[in-house]
Amino acid sequence: NAGVTQTPKFRVLKTGQSMTLLCAQDMNHEYMYWYRQDPGMGLRLIHYSVGEGTTAKGEVPDGYNVSRLKKQNFLLGLESAAPSQTSVYFCASRTEPANYEQYFGPGTRLTVT
Amino acid sequence: GENVEQHPSTLSVQEGDSAVIKCTYSDSASNYFPWYKQELGKGPQLIIDIRSNVGEKKDQRIAVTLNKTAKHFSLHITETQPEDSAVYFCAASQVNRDDKIIFGKGTRLHILP
Repeated sequence: NAGVTQTPKFRVLKTGQSMTLLCAQDMNHEYMYWYRQDPGMGLRLIHYSVGEGTTAKGEVPDGYNVSRLKKQNFLLGLESAAPSQTSVYFCASRTEPANYEQYFGPGTRLTVT
Repeated sequence: GENVEQHPSTLSVQEGDSAVIKCTYSDSASNYFPWYKQELGKGPQLIIDIRSNVGEKKDQRIAVTLNKTAKHFSLHITETQPEDSAVYFCAASQVNRDDKIIFGKGTRLHILP
């Protein structure tokens, strides 16, 4: 049972390039989340999904898109990367409305130059 | 919108002493308050949580207290050990709200030998 995994672990992009971050969970969780973590800012929600085929905006969605085509995968896309998107990105999942514990992945460190 | 303030941002305590981290929240409808621990290079992990129908919860050396009237909650770690060194995040959420879990900005706890 791998839990929540994220690919890649590190990435360096040039301004204007695009990329997709992959989150996968093997716990059959319905809910999945993408956060970004910046120094002194805590964890801020980018987008989330309450089930396969659904997505919704969080606190800081601008510049990002997401897709949840399969229940176990949640993809975060950057169409045209900007230096302001330099951050550590965490994916999380949880099982159901009654259980609020979120399980986090190990993170992806993204640098945009 | 909902806001969670966390203090202090950095805390150093001697090994064996107690550590206290405090959080306040703004949305009186919040009724679920988790605490996450993040070790270096890893994703956050839930260590304890409390719901609004209780005032205190304890798990071995860790306890959380909640004052709903004052809208603040605290994490208490007793008999601190080197492995307690980490960043701790408080959060506030409303049960049955899918996205509305707001994190504090984090406290970096250093346990001094």
